[in-house]
Amino acid sequence: DGGITQSPKYLFRKEGQNVTLSCEQNLNHDAMYWYRQDPGQGLRLIYYSQIVNDFQKGDIAEGYSVSREKKESFPLTVTSAQKNPTAFYLCASSSGTPSPYGYTFGSGTRLTVV
Amino acid sequence: LAKTTQPISMDSYEGQEVNITCSHNNIATNDYITWYQQFPSQGPRFIIQGYKTKVTNEVASLFIPADRKSSTLSLPRVSLSDTAVYYCLVLRSNDYKLSFGAGTTVTVRA
Repeated sequence: DGGITQSPKYLFRKEGQNVTLSCEQNLNHDAMYWYRQDPGQGLRLIYYSQIVNDFQKGDIAEGYSVSREKKESFPLTVTSAQKNPTAFYLCASSSGTPSPYGYTFGSGTRLTVV
Repeated sequence: LAKTTQPISMDSYEGQEVNITCSHNNIATNDYITWYQQFPSQGPRFIIQGYKTKVTNEVASLFIPADRKSSTLSLPRVSLSDTAVYYCLVLRSNDYKLSFGAGTTVTVRA
């Protein structure tokens, strides 16, 4: 079945560490996105990529970095510069906008700073 | 992007119809209206999308008046499993940014 796979499901980070969240899709979608969700809040856009080797900052890009070397993959690195990284991170993809089938989301990675 | 406004929460009982209205006063001509559903600790799931009038699928109906400044998501005969957060979004052609507000928390009781 086609879809988006995020890994790991749970991730613990020590203060000052960089961590990378994985996002892989086999939907042949051009666009991919990273969102952050805090408890009781909506989703906030971190980065998005419309095509390979190109990406743009979203609303809260500070402290995060991404790469898009392959169409299928869009990893997110949470750097030590991100002061409050504990959150639920969601990856999504779409074939374009407005997509008749919407955006497909992964099941998320819950990151906790310990 | 058009800003959307929807109620923070709604309560209902099993078997009832739930209608969630979303305001998007500055919607542009080429914008589409789309709704997502999210369960706790899961990613949002696409429910329905429309441009004008009425759209219906196996899950919900979407009513959009002629001026398109609002839209109403209708969930027929809800069950306990419909308890979730529902997001109203406005999509713009060639704009890849999808922005989510806080959504409407729908609680269905037995």
